[in-house]
Amino acid sequence: GNSVTQMEGPVTLSEEAFLTINCTYTATGYPSLFWYVQYPGEGLQLLLKATKADDKGSNKGFEATYRKETTSFHLEKGSVQVSDSAVYFCALDTDKLIFGTGTRLQVFP
Amino acid sequence: EPEVTQTPSHQVTQMGQEVILRCVPISNHLYFYWYRQILGQKVEFLVSFYNNEISEKSEIFDDQFSVERPDGSNFTLKIRSTKLEDSAMYFCASRETGLTDTQYFGPGTRLTVL
Repeated sequence: GNSVTQMEGPVTLSEEAFLTINCTYTATGYPSLFWYVQYPGEGLQLLLKATKADDKGSNKGFEATYRKETTSFHLEKGSVQVSDSAVYFCALDTDKLIFGTGTRLQVFP
Repeated sequence: EPEVTQTPSHQVTQMGQEVILRCVPISNHLYFYWYRQILGQKVEFLVSFYNNEISEKSEIFDDQFSVERPDGSNFTLKIRSTKLEDSAMYFCASRETGLTDTQYFGPGTRLTVL
């Protein structure tokens, strides 16, 4: 069946460090892939998406590339800020969204 | 910018009581969803709704749950007899048309069952 696997958290970084959060998926067909972010006490916000293989989604300095050959959609950011501290969810879309378990990012000054 | 809204933001209820969670999707959207997130866990799909009927539901969505679009704007989730394990954040989402469209989420309703 369809599923998403994310790296375990928490990920703890200093400000301006490089961020990678791994996400791999199992799916039939070629679903759209998403990263959502959840700030403390808030709902889910779309961060970025990619709808087909080799697409790169980007927003607010975050990027992720839809890799069909490795079934991955890793999230990266070159220089994190304290304000990026949140939980990040990778998801695939087969009409319903299937989410990974979420990765908590903590950025310290 | 249009957004999905949900009410109430927090609902506290006694076990066995009925609750109705309300959502107003974005006005030109056609597909509607409910998800839930038990504290500290991942977001889980409950049900999808299109053209006034359920498109798909998960195994979580048993006979205690129902959804309705009572008018042109609201989309509701009813839990007939709440259990302790129903305590969670419930998110409504909507999307305009097909699979390449993004699902937009509301801020959620935190349901606490005592």
